[in-house]
Amino acid sequence: GDSVTQTEGLVTLTEGLPVMLNCTYQSTYSPFLFWYVQHLNEAPKLLLKSFTDNKRPEHQGFHATLHKSSSSFHLQKSSAQLSDSALYYCALSEQGTGSKLSFGKGAKLTVSP
Amino acid sequence: AQTIHQWPVAEIKAVGSPLSLGCTIKGKSSPNLYWYWQATGGTLQQLFYSITVGQVESVVQLNLSASRPKDDQFILSTEKLLLSHSGFYLCAWSLGDAEQFFGPGTRLTVL
Repeated sequence: GDSVTQTEGLVTLTEGLPVMLNCTYQSTYSPFLFWYVQHLNEAPKLLLKSFTDNKRPEHQGFHATLHKSSSSFHLQKSSAQLSDSALYYCALSEQGTGSKLSFGKGAKLTVSP
Repeated sequence: AQTIHQWPVAEIKAVGSPLSLGCTIKGKSSPNLYWYWQATGGTLQQLFYSITVGQVESVVQLNLSASRPKDDQFILSTEKLLLSHSGFYLCAWSLGDAEQFFGPGTRLTVL
């Protein structure tokens, strides 16, 4: 079945350093990949979504590239900000199903001054 | 613009008592609707989804049930709460295969 793997449970960074959160997946068909961000006591919000035409989505300084050859969709940002501290979830949806979103275990990012 | 509303915002209930959580979507016609559960410190677990009125599919059995009585309404319920039901319940919507958007959530504490 479909699955998403996020290897970092906790990530602690100093403000200004680059961010990279890993996401790999297993899927039978061609999936959509997403990154969601969840701040403390809030609902998850969509951060990025993969494109089918190999464009690189960007939002709030974050970007991610879907690499089908390595089944990865890593999240990156060149310079971390204090406000980036949150939980980040990678998720996968099979194209054509419209029904199931599989989430990774999440990565808690803490950015300190 | 579409809005998603969940009620109640928070609930404290006794073990063995019944529960009903609600979700309404305004501004979208015939959305797919979803229920998720998130344990404290845990990841998001999809519980149910519904593609159309009156049809609900179960993804994970947690002694909960869901119903979609109207196009814009999704209800999560149980007759007897367990301690393990505590957590954050999130409703979400999507149009077909597109990304899902989450409501503000209901925080449930079972004592």
